[in-house]
Amino acid sequence: EAQVTQNPRYLITVTGKKLTVTCSQNMNHEYMSWYRQDPGLGLRQIYYSMNVEVTDKGDVPEGYKVSRKEKRNFPLILESPSPNQTSLYFCASSFNNQGADGYTFGSGTRLTVV
Amino acid sequence: QKEVEQDPGPLSVPEGAIVSLNCTYSNSAFQYFMWYRQYSRKGPELLMYTYSSGNKEDGRFTAQVDKSSKYISLFIRDSQPSDSATYLCAMSAPGGSEKLVFGKGTKLTVNP
Repeated sequence: EAQVTQNPRYLITVTGKKLTVTCSQNMNHEYMSWYRQDPGLGLRQIYYSMNVEVTDKGDVPEGYKVSRKEKRNFPLILESPSPNQTSLYFCASSFNNQGADGYTFGSGTRLTVV
Repeated sequence: QKEVEQDPGPLSVPEGAIVSLNCTYSNSAFQYFMWYRQYSRKGPELLMYTYSSGNKEDGRFTAQVDKSSKYISLFIRDSQPSDSATYLCAMSAPGGSEKLVFGKGTKLTVNP
């Protein structure tokens, strides 16, 4: 089944404790992206990657890091999480960044930073 | 002016009603228009895709694009309780660097 897999689904952590949210896709998509979704603010892009070793900032990159060492994986790293990073996170992939073929989203990771 | 505007609702309708969801946008370069549906505690999934202006129909769903007015719509006929979800519009322009821009979503509830 074609899918984007995110882990974990739920995570509660403490301020300052480094964490990684994993994302993997099995569709051989070139483009991958991370979003956060907050009430009243919608989906906001954090980082994206056009291909292996090619990443760039989205609209809200502060406090986040990403890497793209393999085509299928695009982990999101929070080096020192803060409470304002409490949010619902989605990984998405597509053949291109325009989404004309449709983005495939993961099921989401609900992160709480206390 | 925000690039994509979408009324957040919430919108509540009785089963069987015709639902109209809308977005306006400011970037005249947008050519690809999409509607995503997001159920509670799930990721968005692509529902409809339209290139440039015109209508597209898929079962009970019709997507319309009016580029002259910078306005897109999604119509749901004979709405069902299973249509209860948040609907997000999304759009992008041709070109290597242009990304997909999402509306904030409209929450729809269809009451039995």
